Amino acid sequence: GAGVSQSPSNKVTEKGKDVELRCDPISGHTALYWYRQSLGQGLEFLIYFQGNSAPDKSGLPSDRFSAERTGGSVSTLTIQRTQQEDSAVYLCASSFSGERTTWGYNEQFFGPGTRLTVL
Amino acid sequence: AQKITQTQPGMFVQEKEAVTLDCTYDTSDPSYGLFWYKQPSSGEMIFLIYQGSYDQQNATEGRYSLNFQKARKSANLVISASQLGDSAMYFCAMRESLYNTDKLIFGTGTRLQVFP
Repeated sequence: GAGVSQSPSNKVTEKGKDVELRCDPISGHTALYWYRQSLGQGLEFLIYFQGNSAPDKSGLPSDRFSAERTGGSVSTLTIQRTQQEDSAVYLCASSFSGERTTWGYNEQFFGPGTRLTVL
Repeated sequence: AQKITQTQPGMFVQEKEAVTLDCTYDTSDPSYGLFWYKQPSSGEMIFLIYQGSYDQQNATEGRYSLNFQKARKSANLVISASQLGDSAMYFCAMRESLYNTDKLIFGTGTRLQVFP
């Protein structure tokens, strides 16, 4: 079956412009996550959607960042008034279930990422 | 304070040898999970292995095993019989507080290079 897909794969934009990054999770996955990976760094959590619950936005670095998930499936990450420090690879992941469980683990399946370059 | 610490920015290992990648973590929650992911140069994140804080035995998946030392708060990844295709970045991650969240906290990674 299809994995997590993201578009575009690469995005070059000018400082101050808005960008939208798209994520299509694996069909049936109820949880969706956005992470950011700056050059040579680990992944930084941005936001997490679980079913119909309010998203966990605790990782968004500023109010220029926002995300939505329509119909419990596709998600869009929007960065307004981009800055050069926003340049990074933005990774999306999904998992089968966001339900909290003590004994199980919800393996996150990652997409290929969108490489954003802000000039 | 760092939640996940990977102190080895780079490691070299000869093909067919075993290698240990270090990971220490910090949490006060008794219920957590630890993950290792591999990121080849192509960029995708590949799940390797998971260890739950309540698991009594160390996790194993093929050539991967996790040396879980709870008292020391370490979760080292052991790769046995290294292969050239194992050359990649390796990230340790923690799902803190299994009751409350599914988000992962990642370390800064270790770049493993396997040479013939």
